[in-house]
Amino acid sequence: EAGVAQSPRYKIIEKRQSVAFWCNPISGHATLYWYQQILGQGPKLLIQFQNNGVVDDSQLPKDRFSAERLKGVDSTLKIQPAKLEDSAVYLCASSLARGREKLFFGSGTQLSVL
Amino acid sequence: ELKVEQNPLFLSMQEGKNYTIYCNYSTTSDRLYWYRQDPGKSLESLFVLLSNGAVKQEGRLMASLDTKARLSTLHITAAVHDLSATYFCAVDPSGAGSYQLTFGKGTKLSVIP
Repeated sequence: EAGVAQSPRYKIIEKRQSVAFWCNPISGHATLYWYQQILGQGPKLLIQFQNNGVVDDSQLPKDRFSAERLKGVDSTLKIQPAKLEDSAVYLCASSLARGREKLFFGSGTQLSVL
Repeated sequence: ELKVEQNPLFLSMQEGKNYTIYCNYSTTSDRLYWYRQDPGKSLESLFVLLSNGAVKQEGRLMASLDTKARLSTLHITAAVHDLSATYFCAVDPSGAGSYQLTFGKGTKLSVIP
């Protein structure tokens, strides 16, 4: 079974630039999450989708972050403009149903903002 | 605001020894999760604990949940080097299985031969 796919694996940008991350969840998984993991900390939920609708985006900095999940499958997370404090690993995760199955994480995109 | 505290944050132990990692959380929840993360890798689900008194074991790891004390433990028995990793506990405050998880800071475990 293919896992959660994310790209790119690494990204280095300068502050005030824009960046986008892509996620392809496990086939059939209705629920998709984006988490931000700053070095030395646990992941922090940014946004949760159920199919192509947003369930929770209360911790998403909406002045600079945006996310979409078209057709209820792939998702993109965008940062515009990036700040130094956005340097982190951005993890995408998916689950078959809400809380009834394991949550599967992708390998993440490591973002460095210089 | 939900707080999830793990201790210790760093643990160095010899092979063959036993130890326990503690996870305390500040709000009512009957759903607690344990994950493992190897350096540069993503998170792997270890245990899902869904009720008070739940106990789950796999190999040398055993996790338990006491919802009244708001405490979960991850017990390591006869540690081996392959267990070296960072272990996170996470709580679902909604209680509805939404996976809107709040994670602890993680416990970095190093098992020394």
